Amino acid sequence: EVQLLESGGVLVQPGESLRLSCAASGFNFISYAMHWVRRAPGKGLEWVSGISNSGGATYYAESMKGRFTISRDNSKTTLYLEMNNLRVDDTAVYFCVRLSTGGPRGWFDSWGQGTLVTVSS
Amino acid sequence: QTLVTQESSLSVSPGGTVTLTCALSSGSVSTAHYATWYQQTPGQPPRTLVYNTNTRSSGVPDRFSGSVLGNKAALIITGAQADDESDYLCVLYLGSGIWKFGGGTELTV
Repeated sequence: EVQLLESGGVLVQPGESLRLSCAASGFNFISYAMHWVRRAPGKGLEWVSGISNSGGATYYAESMKGRFTISRDNSKTTLYLEMNNLRVDDTAVYFCVRLSTGGPRGWFDSWGQGTLVTVSS
Repeated sequence: QTLVTQESSLSVSPGGTVTLTCALSSGSVSTAHYATWYQQTPGQPPRTLVYNTNTRSSGVPDRFSGSVLGNKAALIITGAQADDESDYLCVLYLGSGIWKFGGGTELTV
């Protein structure tokens, strides 16, 4: 069974940094591209970032470029999202999502339960 | 910047048919955009209804179907039920590793 377990979401102040992790299990992690998707309170979904199965290619939504960094450790089957200079509007539940292929095309076929990041002074 | 647009709200009578659409601000949607449709579930990850344009996800009732209609991706609900009242979102692959969600459609039954 595919399991994606996010962690690292906490309350931070504007301008601070945070790293999210997603521990993956139940599948061959190195075969799949991975993504982060977020949902702000009362809002819809927003694609944040993606990384190819090898880690050699990374992709970002325009508003996250330069502030967020996605990475993965295939030996630890873990996905990361480093977030810097956090803003109030980054407040959201962040979901770890598996793509159906090694990337970049496919569909999001498995979702974690999400981790809540709150940015507030 | 390319936007993905959905109807902000739609309504359907119980037992009726409704079509939700997902469009690009520039250009036409095709199967190359790998359209996926979700139902928002509060406090939970979204429920996948249809992926890869027209493949129904496991366990999803067959009253939900997906297709490309004209220049848009479409989610068609045939024989709508009360518990279909929800928010529905689409996501499209825009190329170069970039994905974009639509703003969502609030469906009233």
